[in-house]
Amino acid sequence: QQQVKQSPQSLIVQKGGISIINCAYENTAFDYFPWYQQFPGKGPALLIAIRPDVSEKKEGRFTISFNKSAKQFSLHIMDSQPGDSATYFCAASIGNNFNKFYFGSGTKLNVKP
Amino acid sequence: DAGVTQSPTHLIKTRGQQVTLRCSPKSGHDTVSWYQQALGQGPQFIFQYYEEEERQRGNFPDRFSGHQFPNYSSELNVNALLLGDSALYLCASSYYSSGNTIYFGEGSWLTVV
Repeated sequence: QQQVKQSPQSLIVQKGGISIINCAYENTAFDYFPWYQQFPGKGPALLIAIRPDVSEKKEGRFTISFNKSAKQFSLHIMDSQPGDSATYFCAASIGNNFNKFYFGSGTKLNVKP
Repeated sequence: DAGVTQSPTHLIKTRGQQVTLRCSPKSGHDTVSWYQQALGQGPQFIFQYYEEEERQRGNFPDRFSGHQFPNYSSELNVNALLLGDSALYLCASSYYSSGNTIYFGEGSWLTVV
């Protein structure tokens, strides 16, 4: 059973547009929700993360929205740029030590110039 | 400051053979985790090492084993390779007390033929 479900599988956005990627989880014990960005041939890199005690976190053009009651969280990329074209993964974990991360299946974002 | 380094970058093995992958954590990090990322999928947790002991394990068979050395570097060993073991193997490191923040290496691409 997949612990974190991610959609859409792929996304095409025009330059300057808003990219939105959604994730849902079942385990209410999850208490840390990061988003990773992965370029071809590279390992995933931490983009932004949120804990369930806040509903939104913003860092530059990237925003996480978190809905604890719906067990959903999403990544919004404002003013999307061609350089944002990559695969994005949501993830979830429990606790602060010996963390085991459960990843979504990924969203391939293509930002058209 | 060197990040997480992995070797080899690419390798091809024959079904039934054994493989060893290596990882050096980011400077100052003492915890190493290994993930398997199949093509088009999100990373899946294999296991995690801290103080030279396996602390957590994912849903992987005993053919997957590991080791952590006193300098915190780590090895992943896979015996009796199957075609389905073909994947990108990612090493991630973190500092025990801030286990939520993990840094990935660029991975080792394993192809089993």
